[in-house]
Amino acid sequence: DAGVIQSPRHEVTEMGQEVTLRCKPISGHNSLFWYRQTMMRGLELLIYFNNNVPIDDSGMPEDRFSAKMPNASFSTLKIQPSEPRDSAVYFCASSLGLGQNTEAFFGQGTRLTVV
Amino acid sequence: SQQGEEDPQALSIQEGENATMNCSYKTSINNLQWYRQNSGRGLVHLILIRSNEREKHSGRLRVTLDTSKKSSSLLITASRAADTASYFCATGEGGGSNYKLTFGKGTLLTVNP
Repeated sequence: DAGVIQSPRHEVTEMGQEVTLRCKPISGHNSLFWYRQTMMRGLELLIYFNNNVPIDDSGMPEDRFSAKMPNASFSTLKIQPSEPRDSAVYFCASSLGLGQNTEAFFGQGTRLTVV
Repeated sequence: SQQGEEDPQALSIQEGENATMNCSYKTSINNLQWYRQNSGRGLVHLILIRSNEREKHSGRLRVTLDTSKKSSSLLITASRAADTASYFCATGEGGGSNYKLTFGKGTLLTVNP
């Protein structure tokens, strides 16, 4: 398997524009996590899914952020409208099973810059 | 919200020395994991220790867990320049579909040749 695949790797957009980040989890994994990483706040859990169902979105910072997982092999994180403070690296991770002791596999991240 | 807090925030050592990083957390956990992140890359899983375990080894890595103190340590022995990276602890919480991983802010380790 190629691992968790995120696209794009880099995104530069103007304030007010819509941004869509994409993630393809490892085949067979049924948990998917979206994280945001900044110097100030570290790695924040935004939302996670299990079997395509959102379980906890309490980490989503504002209503401008939304995430979907229409099927087991694809998820999106959308920011509309984007703001400069959204600039960060966004990571998607997936894990296997409903276990209590499973590790997460991370994608390479999307570096978002909002100007 | 952050669960784990790593200490120190940054650590600089010479090649061959041992590096120790600590992690404290607040709530009950199922497991504690350590990850490594090279600059500009995604996180890579290093080791997982379950809440009923006290110590675990993997190559040059040694992890301890003290659930009474809600703390863990990661020891890297005989460090190498290639070990230079950020190291994060993550707490595995909840069960079944509610299982999630929460990360700390990390320790930046620099190993000087």
